[in-house]
Amino acid sequence: AQSVTQLGSHVSVSEGALVLLRCNYSSSVPPYLFWYVQYPNQGLQLLLKYTSAATLVKGINGFEAEFKKSETSFHLTKPSAHMSDAAEYFCAVSMDTGRRALTFGSGTRLQVQP
Amino acid sequence: NAGVTQTPKFQVLKTGQSMTLQCAQDMNHEYMSWYRQDPGMGLRLIHYSVGAGITDQGEVPNGYNVSRSTTEDFPLRLLSAAPSQTSVYFCASRLLFPASGDPSPPQHFGDGTRLSIL
Repeated sequence: AQSVTQLGSHVSVSEGALVLLRCNYSSSVPPYLFWYVQYPNQGLQLLLKYTSAATLVKGINGFEAEFKKSETSFHLTKPSAHMSDAAEYFCAVSMDTGRRALTFGSGTRLQVQP
Repeated sequence: NAGVTQTPKFQVLKTGQSMTLQCAQDMNHEYMSWYRQDPGMGLRLIHYSVGAGITDQGEVPNGYNVSRSTTEDFPLRLLSAAPSQTSVYFCASRLLFPASGDPSPPQHFGDGTRLSIL
């Protein structure tokens, strides 16, 4: 079985501050992990993904995430928040690339204050 | 490239009505899926397909039917709409098998269909 827990349904930061969105996963086998972003009234866009090649993964728009097996975590960070980062962020896990679908976390809404 | 196209974008139904949500992709992806998004619950898988003629149930399949007659299209049917099916529905597609240099092909999402059932 696979599952994802995102801590904090809402996160608010000031513009220029560090962004940290938390994701913990549960998987019986080494997982593939993803972060998606959803802007209002749009579908989900892939930010970055972990596929075991490197534990620190860099994505688009200055985001990165670090896979920590010992902590079963895949937290998303960005050194300096921008107003355009305001959106909802979803962490997702998959155990393989065949028939298995993604399992999504419940999402974290990021608010960026001026 | 159009990517994943969903129609309609908005729909209001009365309880008991039926309708079909359309999804089409032009990327020749074998794997297609339908999710529903509800506040505080993330996205939950309704049905998925790994190729034409092959479909399977996801986490929340009750009240929905799907078919896959072509690689491109994957319609979702609500047989008798209920207020509990008020949600935002997303269609997604991806390659089924790893491509060269990419062991985990990402999913591509449509913009969603916002469905209200009165």
